[in-house]
Amino acid sequence: AQSVTQLGSHVSVSEGALVLLRCNYSSSVPPYLFWYVQYPNQGLQLLLKYTTGATLVKGINGFEAEFKKSETSFHLTKPSAHMSDAAEYFCAVRVSGGYNKLIFGAGTRLAVHP
Amino acid sequence: DAGITQSPRHKVTETGTPVTLRCHQTENHRYMYWYRQDPGHGLRLIHYSYGVKDTDKGEVSDGYSVSRSKTEDFLLTLESATSSQTSVYFCAITGQGVNTEAFFGQGTRLTVV
Repeated sequence: AQSVTQLGSHVSVSEGALVLLRCNYSSSVPPYLFWYVQYPNQGLQLLLKYTTGATLVKGINGFEAEFKKSETSFHLTKPSAHMSDAAEYFCAVRVSGGYNKLIFGAGTRLAVHP
Repeated sequence: DAGITQSPRHKVTETGTPVTLRCHQTENHRYMYWYRQDPGHGLRLIHYSYGVKDTDKGEVSDGYSVSRSKTEDFLLTLESATSSQTSVYFCAITGQGVNTEAFFGQGTRLTVV
C-alpha cells in the first residue's frame, strides 16, 4: 500500500532563510507525487507535481522539489522564505490501480517570522 | 480556477440529524472525491466516484454515504451526525490522466453539537 510521511508538523524559519519541508513516500510502483499548499480558510492549491522525466521539479511561488528514488523522498524547498509563504503544506502520492485517488501526508505548517 | 463549488460553506447541526453536503463542478471531470481534514491527519478519503452512479468507499467511510446522479454533482450525506464527524470537508475533482492534478473546493466547515 502506498503512504506518505511528512517529517515535522511545524516548521519555523526566518524571512529570507531556506525553506525545507520533508516528504517520504512508500510505493511499490513508480509514484506520481504532488505538493499542495493551503492558506487559512481556503482549499488546497497545487504547488508542483512529479510524474515522469526530470527529477527536479519547479513549481509556483519559487518552490521546487527533487524526486529521489533511492531515498524515496520528495522534499520541498525554497531558497528564500517570504512572509506570504506561511501556510500548511501537504505532500501526496497518487494511488496506483485507477481512479486517480490521492493519499496525503499529515501536513506541515510553515511559520515565517521577521 | 477550476469550477468547483461546495455548499454550504459552514454548517452547525445537532447530533443524530442527517446532513447533506453538495459538490458541484463545471469541468466535466470524471472523478470526484470527498475528503475530510482533521489536525494531525491531513486529508483522508471518505468516498469517491468514477462516473455517474459509480461510487466506492475510501479509508474513512463509516457513517457516510454518497450519490452521484449527474456528472456535475456529488453529494455527501452524514446519515446520523456524530461529534466525531465535526471536521472540514473538501471535495476534489480530477481528469482521467494519471498525471493530472486534483482541484479542490473551498471546503465546508461542519460542526456537530
